[in-house]
Amino acid sequence: QLQESGPRRVKPSETLSLTCTVSGGSISDDYWSWIRKPPGKGLEWIGYIFYSGSTRYSPSFESRASISVDPSKNQVFLRLTSVTAADTGVYYCARVPTSRLFDKWGQGTLVIVSS
Amino acid sequence: QPVVTQSPSASASLGASVKLTCTLTSGHSNNAIAWHQQQPEKGPRYLMTVHPDGSHNKGDGIPDRFSGSSSGADRYLTISSLQSEDEADYYCQTWGAGMGVFGGGTSLTVL
Repeated sequence: QLQESGPRRVKPSETLSLTCTVSGGSISDDYWSWIRKPPGKGLEWIGYIFYSGSTRYSPSFESRASISVDPSKNQVFLRLTSVTAADTGVYYCARVPTSRLFDKWGQGTLVIVSS
Repeated sequence: QPVVTQSPSASASLGASVKLTCTLTSGHSNNAIAWHQQQPEKGPRYLMTVHPDGSHNKGDGIPDRFSGSSSGADRYLTISSLQSEDEADYYCQTWGAGMGVFGGGTSLTVL
């Protein structure tokens, strides 16, 4: 199971910080991705991380996003800096097996960027 | 240029069948894809992987009414015996240039 958590509201220009807690398996076995869904739009891939720490980001987020892991807590983190209203949406974490096709999703956490 | 494209909407009657299409663009036509379902107010749910040879592997607990197939650069999701709970957005997903890629999604209406 994957469970996202974090603050519901973030102020413009501040940093969004989210946690994905993985249960029922070790995060050391797979890659893990963050994806978001802005209101009225489709799914957007943000980036992925392997437990060793290697990462890759979408060019759309590369300058602002940072994904990290804590294998001891089975957690994956997302930091997104300098947020604007356009960063409002539901953020999901997903498991990425070797096929690179996501096969498990969290329920998502809503983030609203507003002053 | 998007790696995968989908029609924005589709509709079919209760009890009927519907076939959704995900088209891979040039250079990615041999990719496998995943289909994901997102019902209103819920997180996405992995349905299946569809391979270029037409075979598919479904996720845990996915009903037999859902099946996948391929033809050339097209990957299909067929839902038979449509039920009201099948009304949802359906996304295809693949991997391109080392990054995750989603189609724009197809919004399915069950009439």
